[in-house]
Amino acid sequence: EDQVTQSPEALRLQEGESSSLNCSYTVSGLRGLFWYRQDPGKGPEFLFTLYSAGEEKEKERLKATLTKKESFLHITAPKPEDSATYLCAVQAHRSISGGYNKLIFGAGTRLAVHP
Amino acid sequence: GAVVSQHPSWVICKSGTSVKIECRSLDFQATTMFWYRQFPKQSLMLMATSNEGSKATYEQGVEKDKFLINHASLTLSTLTVTSAHPEDSSFYICSARALVDRIPGLAGALYNEQFFGPGTRLTVL
Repeated sequence: EDQVTQSPEALRLQEGESSSLNCSYTVSGLRGLFWYRQDPGKGPEFLFTLYSAGEEKEKERLKATLTKKESFLHITAPKPEDSATYLCAVQAHRSISGGYNKLIFGAGTRLAVHP
Repeated sequence: GAVVSQHPSWVICKSGTSVKIECRSLDFQATTMFWYRQFPKQSLMLMATSNEGSKATYEQGVEKDKFLINHASLTLSTLTVTSAHPEDSSFYICSARALVDRIPGLAGALYNEQFFGPGTRLTVL
């Protein structure tokens, strides 16, 4: 069964204190791994897609990396406005009814950055 | 680019009534739209996948007669919660997957990404 596990569940950082969020996955043939940011009461905002082990993508203070078993979202010198829930999702290659396009989400990491 | 809207953003209704939620892709055409629900402090749970012009595919445990999905065009999908009850109160979020391999104004985007709407908060009294 495809699974996504994110850790930690919650993370509190001081402004400027860099850290990493983890997303471990098991999937029968990874088609893509996605990172989203979600603010309270809003829909997820797309951040990155990673397709193969060794791939890295960056956007401002965020950098996402991918291995065959997990992905990391590195946050460098975070600011209070980076506070949000970060969601990881995987998509499998197999084509089962609705399964081909289906994203399987982790529970998320709630990040709080304090000044 | 890649903007998805939902309407309404929130709705309060009485038990037994039906509620329709609209999901629109504003600046791209979507082959597929997805409907999720999210309970407080929990992650997104996929309810159904809908392709334009065909019947929706529902996830196990989701009642298709209760959650009616219509995908009338490449930019519009609707979710109707029929005979709503308090246990249907939740945050409903749609997403859209693009038809083309590039989304104008979003450098490097491929067709595979799903872009989410802002969500609809449903409260059933």
